[in-house]
Amino acid sequence: ETVMTQSPATLSVFPGEGATLSCRASHSVNRNLAWYQQKPGQAPRLLIYDASTRATGIPARFSGSGSATHFTLTITNLQSEDVALYYCQQYNTWPPLTFGGGTRVEIK
Amino acid sequence: QVQLVESGGGVVQPGGSLRLSCATSGFTFGNYGMHWVRQAPGKGLEWVALIWYDGSSQYYADSVKGRFTVSRDHSKNTFNLQMNSLRVDDTAVYFCARDPTLFGELSYYFDFWGQGIPVTVSS
Repeated sequence: ETVMTQSPATLSVFPGEGATLSCRASHSVNRNLAWYQQKPGQAPRLLIYDASTRATGIPARFSGSGSATHFTLTITNLQSEDVALYYCQQYNTWPPLTFGGGTRVEIK
Repeated sequence: QVQLVESGGGVVQPGGSLRLSCATSGFTFGNYGMHWVRQAPGKGLEWVALIWYDGSSQYYADSVKGRFTVSRDHSKNTFNLQMNSLRVDDTAVYFCARDPTLFGELSYYFDFWGQGIPVTVSS
């Protein structure tokens, strides 16, 4: 099983500033990585797939990068509506498909 | 627009059974693979199971293998999860989710999700 580890657990950012979220894989997942945003009481929403491709309708302030075992989700110009939990998910080696433990983004 | 709506959740005793359904609309159901993902209270996301677009293959997480069964009904555009021998640690919100690839090999990530349905296993 490929274990996904996200850091930090919580990130506090001033509005308008940037946020950098990290996701590490226990084995290489090539670029088979997705990012999701989950707001309280809601279903997750796909943000990024194939490590760096934005899903339909996702604002350009969300960007993904990385390959193999280290990936980053960057949010520039943080907005209040970006307050959420963010999860990475690998789909290179399955079953099982595996998620990271999540990073909570808060407004400072 | 794509809509996924789960139903069938509730409270069940350990060892009991439940059948979840996911009603789909806004897309050609028979062309897409489907997944179940769950989230225990206050916890992260855990993939549970998947079924190919034509129902020809199913895969399960080890934690549910032999107890849960996925199926799909193309006449009703629904996707189901039969859960047997339920355990307390199966307590979670269960989401159905669509795999984005049209036909063929799945992509194995999730482009649309339902709102989720809670399942509580408790005596």
